[in-house]
Amino acid sequence: EVQLVESGGGLVKPGSSLKLSCVASGFTFSSYGMHWIRQAPKKGLEWIALIYYDSSNKYYADSVKGRFTISRDNSKNTLYLEMNSLRSEDTAMYYCATTTGDYWGQGVMVTVSS
Amino acid sequence: DVVMTQTPPSLSVAIGQSVSISCKSSQSLVYSDGKTYLHWLLQSPGQSPKLLIYQVSNLGSGVPDRFSGTGSQKDFTLKISRVEAEDLGVYYCVQATHFPPFTFGSGTKLEIK
Repeated sequence: EVQLVESGGGLVKPGSSLKLSCVASGFTFSSYGMHWIRQAPKKGLEWIALIYYDSSNKYYADSVKGRFTISRDNSKNTLYLEMNSLRSEDTAMYYCATTTGDYWGQGVMVTVSS
Repeated sequence: DVVMTQTPPSLSVAIGQSVSISCKSSQSLVYSDGKTYLHWLLQSPGQSPKLLIYQVSNLGSGVPDRFSGTGSQKDFTLKISRVEAEDLGVYYCVQATHFPPFTFGSGTKLEIK
């Protein structure tokens, strides 16, 4: 069974850091590019970062560029999102997904509030 | 950035009826390889998004053929024939031709009468 399981979310204060993980199973993780996509409460979907299957290229939305870092460890079938200088507007459900769109995680909630 | 304009924002339909959702992009979504990277997703209530259609008209895995996608260049349509109760949720179009960023439509909420 294919699974993407995110973890690492929580309630943090503005200016804090957080690192999300997304563990993949049931498919060849190392063959897929991966996205992080977020959804603020009651809002639509917002793409925030992409990493190629071999980490050769990484792209970011302007809203997170310079603050967030996407990475992966293919030996651990794990995708990461390191988030620094968090702001209230980063409050959202964060999903990892393959670039083919076939597989999505269940999401992890990040709340930034004082 | 490519702007995706999705309409209508919501619609209410009876079981068995057909509906169409429009998605228009601010520029052509034809990539240099000749393919068009316009996809449709469904987010059912309380769930993660699910891929319905990729590259305009190709059904995702396990997606019933009541769903169909058409369009070209800047103008795309998702059609649901014979709506069923399980089809309720929010539908999104997304373009993956011109990135970064990948951009989503604002969503269409489908309710069942």
